[in-house]
Amino acid sequence: KNEVEQSPQNLTAQEGEFITINCSYSVGISALHWLQQHPGGGIVSLFMLSSGKKKHGRLIATINIQEKHSSLHITASHPRDSAVYICAVSHQGAQKLVFGQGTRLTINP
Amino acid sequence: EAGVAQSPRYKIIEKRQSVAFWCNPISGHATLYWYQQILGQGPKLLIQFQNNGVVDDSQLPKDRFSAERLKGVDSTLKIQPAKLEDSAVYLCASSLRWSASSSTDTQYFGPGTRLTVL
Repeated sequence: KNEVEQSPQNLTAQEGEFITINCSYSVGISALHWLQQHPGGGIVSLFMLSSGKKKHGRLIATINIQEKHSSLHITASHPRDSAVYICAVSHQGAQKLVFGQGTRLTINP
Repeated sequence: EAGVAQSPRYKIIEKRQSVAFWCNPISGHATLYWYQQILGQGPKLLIQFQNNGVVDDSQLPKDRFSAERLKGVDSTLKIQPAKLEDSAVYLCASSLRWSASSSTDTQYFGPGTRLTVL
C-alpha cells in the first residue's frame, strides 16, 4: 500500500460540474501539497496546507489531520481544468515530498 | 522571474548508453531536487541538494545514477549505463530554503526531460 493514495485515478465530467478529488495518507505529516500537471508541461504547486482550508479562485483544498485525509474541490469546472492533479506530503525533518499516483481529470465542454 | 530551466526536453538513447540532464534552478533558491516520474505514476525523489551538499539520496540508484551541484547553483544528473526501466520524465525542482524544523517550502518545477531508452 502506498503512503499516499488518491481517488479516483481517472475522472471525466461535464463543464460546470463540481469536482472532488480525494487524498489519504498513512502517517503523520508536516504539510500536504496539491499540484497540477498539464500534458507535456511541468508541475505547478496549487496549495500547501497543514490544517483547515485554503481557497484560490475556483479551487478549494481542505485537510482533516485526524482522519489523515484531504480533498481538492473545483467549482464551476472548465475544460482548461483538464490535467493531472497530484497530492503529495512532507514529513517533519525529512523535507522530500512523497507523491500520490495522481488523478487524471478531463472536463468535456 | 525566470522559472526552473531544464535541458534537453527530450532524449532518446539505446540501453547501455550514457545520458546527462541539466537543471538551472530559480535564482537564489538554495534547495534543488531531482525527481523521476514513470508514466502513470507520481514523481519519486532521486536526490535533494541544499546548496552544494546532498541532503537525501536514499532512492538514487547509485550504481548507475550520479548527480552533482558543484557551485550550489545548477545541477547535472547522469545515468551510466541506461536501462530500459529508466525511461521516464526527469523533473528538476527548486525551493527557496529548507529547514529541518520547518514545513516544506513551496517547490517550483521545471518542464522536465522525457527520456526514452530503447
